[in-house]
Amino acid sequence: QTVVTQEPSLTVSPGGTVTLTCASSTGAVTSDDYPNWLQQKPGQVPRALIYNTNNRQSWTPARFSGSLLGGKAALTVSAVQPEDEADYYCLLLSGGAWVFGGGTKLTVL
Amino acid sequence: QVQLQESGPGLVRPSGTLSLTCGVSGGSITTENWWSWVRQPPGKGLEWIGHIYRSGSTNSNPSLKSRVTISIDKSENQFSLDLRSVTAADTAVYYCARNWGAWGQGTLVTVSS
Repeated sequence: QTVVTQEPSLTVSPGGTVTLTCASSTGAVTSDDYPNWLQQKPGQVPRALIYNTNNRQSWTPARFSGSLLGGKAALTVSAVQPEDEADYYCLLLSGGAWVFGGGTKLTVL
Repeated sequence: QVQLQESGPGLVRPSGTLSLTCGVSGGSITTENWWSWVRQPPGKGLEWIGHIYRSGSTNSNPSLKSRVTISIDKSENQFSLDLRSVTAADTAVYYCARNWGAWGQGTLVTVSS
């Protein structure tokens, strides 16, 4: 079964830029893995940010962008705001099954 | 705008079956989408359980496949999850979702005697 790996935690200063990554145990992540990124704040329902590698949901601020970087899926947050502090989950489609990464806890400090 | 709402028992006995339903409003379940179940144990990350297409075809997490049944009821505009032979490890908040863009509020299911 595919394992999806994310950084457990990252810290960024307000106004800074941070990149979260998502690796697959099966090899390089490609657009055929349909990478999705979700944000979850404490006590809240997960909210989709990015689908199919780099497409923002209609409600996703432009400071969030998705890409493929060095064989991984990546989520870059520019001009980080305090409200961006949350858990971020990567989601990949592998062999017809979706697999979540373990999540990255982003701290804005 | 489509809205989803999970319903079902909040407490299930060990070795029993966890049964949840996701009611869909504001849209038809027969649209070209997939409908998923996801769970989150307390304090832990998200785990995909499985999904169903409008055609009725399903796929599920290999680690749960033998215990999971997902079905769709087009007449009631809802889809359901059955998870058999539950243990305490199945205690979690269970979410239903559509295409990842729309999620229910989640329902906590505790497995305990």
